[in-house]
Amino acid sequence: DIQLTQSPSSLSASVGDRVTISCRASQSISRYLNWYQHKPGKAPKLLIYGASTLQSGVPSRFSGSESGTDFTLTISSLQPEDFATYYCQQGFQTPRTFGPGTKVDIK
Amino acid sequence: EVQLEESGGALVQPGGSLRLSCAASGFAFSNYHMHWVRQVTGKGLECVSTLRNTGDAYYSDSVKGRFTISRENAKNSLYLQMNSLRAGDTAVYYCVREAEKYSSSGGYSYYYYYMDVWGKGTTVTVSS
Repeated sequence: DIQLTQSPSSLSASVGDRVTISCRASQSISRYLNWYQHKPGKAPKLLIYGASTLQSGVPSRFSGSESGTDFTLTISSLQPEDFATYYCQQGFQTPRTFGPGTKVDIK
Repeated sequence: EVQLEESGGALVQPGGSLRLSCAASGFAFSNYHMHWVRQVTGKGLECVSTLRNTGDAYYSDSVKGRFTISRENAKNSLYLQMNSLRAGDTAVYYCVREAEKYSSSGGYSYYYYYMDVWGKGTTVTVSS
């Protein structure tokens, strides 16, 4: 199975900050990496698929990039509604696997 | 409106069984791969089972041999039969649709797969 690691596991940030979350795959997965936002008591929400394509309706402050097996989710200017846990997930191989998550909370 | 709605979550004793159901609406259910994804409280997301539109099924090692995924396309429904339940199976279980999108870029072709529609989840508690 493909393993995904994320860093950091948590971070504290202020509204307006630029936030970067990293995800590394245990093997090449091309561009088949997706990002989700998950808030307590709610269903996870797709943000980005194919490493860098913004899902319809997602604000443009979210962006994704890739370099080999390293992927990055960037929030350009953190908003109050962005405090949540973020997961990467690979769509390259079954079983689908998720990273362990990065919790973003208020500084 | 595209929707998934889970049901069947309950409190069950260790060793017991439970069947989760997921009702799909607003899309051509039979065309899609479907997943059950769970979140144990305080932990991350885990895809415990996948059922492709071809009928091929996959399970995580943690549930293999105990859980069975199935679908009834005529009823737009997905199921998860859970047997020999353990305390570690206590979690919120989400029914999830996987989208497939074709894209070409820089001379390369890609078929992206991503989980674009999630139900609200149903809670399974395994405890005596």
